[in-house]
Amino acid sequence: EVQLVQSGAEVKKPGESLKISCKGSGYSFTSYWIGWVRQMPGKGLEWMGIIYPGDSDTRYSPSFQGQVTISADKSISTAYLQWSSLKASDTAMYYCARQKYYYDSSGYYGDYWGQGTLVTVSS
Amino acid sequence: AIQMTQSPSSLSASVGDRVTITCRASQGIRNDLGWYQQKPGKAPKLLIYAASSLQSGVPSRFSGSGSGTDFTLTISSLQPEDFATYYCLQDYNYRAFGPGTKVDIK
Repeated sequence: EVQLVQSGAEVKKPGESLKISCKGSGYSFTSYWIGWVRQMPGKGLEWMGIIYPGDSDTRYSPSFQGQVTISADKSISTAYLQWSSLKASDTAMYYCARQKYYYDSSGYYGDYWGQGTLVTVSS
Repeated sequence: AIQMTQSPSSLSASVGDRVTITCRASQGIRNDLGWYQQKPGKAPKLLIYAASSLQSGVPSRFSGSGSGTDFTLTISSLQPEDFATYYCLQDYNYRAFGPGTKVDIK
């Protein structure tokens, strides 16, 4: 069974650093892109970026370039999203999603999702 | 960057109604578009990929159409479990979600 299990909720202060995780199981972790999505309280979904754990090829949405770092450790089938200096505006739910390649469309779509990690940044 | 819009932003409907949601891209994106359903407190769920292909396990009352800049998601007969927020996501260039359409009970 394919599963993406994310790390637990975090409460941090502005200026602190944070790294949240997304552990994949039940499939070949190195063969699928993993994407990250932000959802601020009461708001819509925002695409942050994507990583291919097989070679760590990473692509960021322009809105998030330089604001976060996406990484992966293929030895433990885990992808990460990290901040070096959190802001109150980083308060949100963060989701990871496996990107499956659909051969009949030549495109990638998120077929399995993690349960989400709630990050709260408050002084 | 490609901007995505959705209409309406919300709608009220009854069980059994036919519901249509529109997504528009600011420039052509071929058919590189997916539709996702999100219920409160839950992760999004893929319904439609490549604009019109039904994801495995998704009920056939969901369908998608369109190409280029204009796309639609149709629910042929709304069921109680379909009350949720629906998002389109373009996969053509620097992925971007639409703002969402909330479907609630009339």
